[in-house]
Amino acid sequence: GAVVSQHPSWVICKSGTSVKIECRSLDFQATTMFWYRQFPKQSLMLMATSNEGSKATYEQGVEKDKFLINHASLTLSTLTVTSAHPEDSSFYICSATGTGLNTQYFGPGTRLTVL
Amino acid sequence: KQEVTQIPAALSVPEGENLVLNCSFTDSAIYNLQWFRQDPGKGLTSLLLIQSSQREQTSGRLNASLDKSSGRSTLYIAASQPGDSATYLCAVPSGGAGNMLTFGGGTRLMVKP
Repeated sequence: GAVVSQHPSWVICKSGTSVKIECRSLDFQATTMFWYRQFPKQSLMLMATSNEGSKATYEQGVEKDKFLINHASLTLSTLTVTSAHPEDSSFYICSATGTGLNTQYFGPGTRLTVL
Repeated sequence: KQEVTQIPAALSVPEGENLVLNCSFTDSAIYNLQWFRQDPGKGLTSLLLIQSSQREQTSGRLNASLDKSSGRSTLYIAASQPGDSATYLCAVPSGGAGNMLTFGGGTRLMVKP
């Protein structure tokens, strides 16, 4: 089946720093990638949708200048949390889909802790 | 706007019981419905995907049904085992299969030995 990886799996950073999370499709071309955020004991909430070569579409309430998304190739999307604060601590999960696929495939997630 | 609700939010059962998890959605014009499993601190594992034209899907001890007209889906787990303990999420795409997924709040299942 289609495989999606994320890196890093966990990261701890100081308040005010920026953190980059990578999402890769390993064996298919991901024309669309999605970024979700999940707080403890809550469900996944979509943050943004990115199509390869285009600007990401952000959901209401998600600051596009804070959460920078780049989808420059068909196998890689990155999420950069700029000037991270403790309230940004969360579990970030990406998913990807491509031509001919009837569903999204999810990455293993990245645990971000901002001190 | 599509809303997805899962009941119960949490469930604790003794090993061996058969159980049913419920998922309801407000907009019945769905392309498909998917059930996922999530272990603590981990990503999502797809369990079953039911196309809108299907009534049910089975995989091992899992059986998922779909009733589009009533906006409901159920996940039946037979002969539950401690290893089934996890959070179960249902999700539907908005529009086509490649579109964003709207997730339910999940059901946290604990199966006690």
